[in-house]
Amino acid sequence: AQSVTQLDSHVSVSEGTPVLLRCNYSSSYSPSLFWYVQHPNKGLQLLLKYTSAATLVKGINGFEAEFKKSETSFHLTKPSAHMSDAAEYFCVVSDRGYNKLIFGAGTRLAVHP
Amino acid sequence: DSGVTQTPKHLITATGQRVTLRCSPRSGDLSVYWYQQSLDQGLQFLIQYYNGEERAKGNILERFSAQQFPDLHSELNLSSLELGDSALYFCASSVATGGAYSGELFFGEGSRLTVL
Repeated sequence: AQSVTQLDSHVSVSEGTPVLLRCNYSSSYSPSLFWYVQHPNKGLQLLLKYTSAATLVKGINGFEAEFKKSETSFHLTKPSAHMSDAAEYFCVVSDRGYNKLIFGAGTRLAVHP
Repeated sequence: DSGVTQTPKHLITATGQRVTLRCSPRSGDLSVYWYQQSLDQGLQFLIQYYNGEERAKGNILERFSAQQFPDLHSELNLSSLELGDSALYFCASSVATGGAYSGELFFGEGSRLTVL
């Protein structure tokens, strides 16, 4: 069965410093992986997705993630945090038919001035 | 704005009652998904419909049911409500299902249910 583990429930950074949100996955086959973001009182929005093409995936708002099969990881990074990045971030794995997305527990990112 | 509309945005009701949550998917999207988000369980997949037919089922309780109508809007019915059903219920839509599906879901802003 597929699953994802987000290693940090809360991450706090200063504006202008790098962001690293960690995600490990478990899958019996080559997975499709996603990062979604949820701003306060809003629905979720797709940041980026990996579907077995390039291992370094670029998303919206300057975020990117690297698929590392040897480490079963799909960490989300951004070189420089903005105040507007404060939100909850979900690492997601899909089943083979994409019928069901399995969400991690989420990482709440706080950005301080 | 994702294009997915959910009503009502907030709902307060009592234990034992029944409520209906409504979702209008993005124009042209055939698949509708329902998710429940709570503090203790996180984001849980409930059920998916594709063009009016149930396609996948997740952790949906027997007290809950859903359907997708010919105009593609969907309703989630929650009955015999318990305190633990208090949560944010999201609807999401996508263009298709199966191999053609990109994996991108478009989420509504949710319906917050409070059971007292």
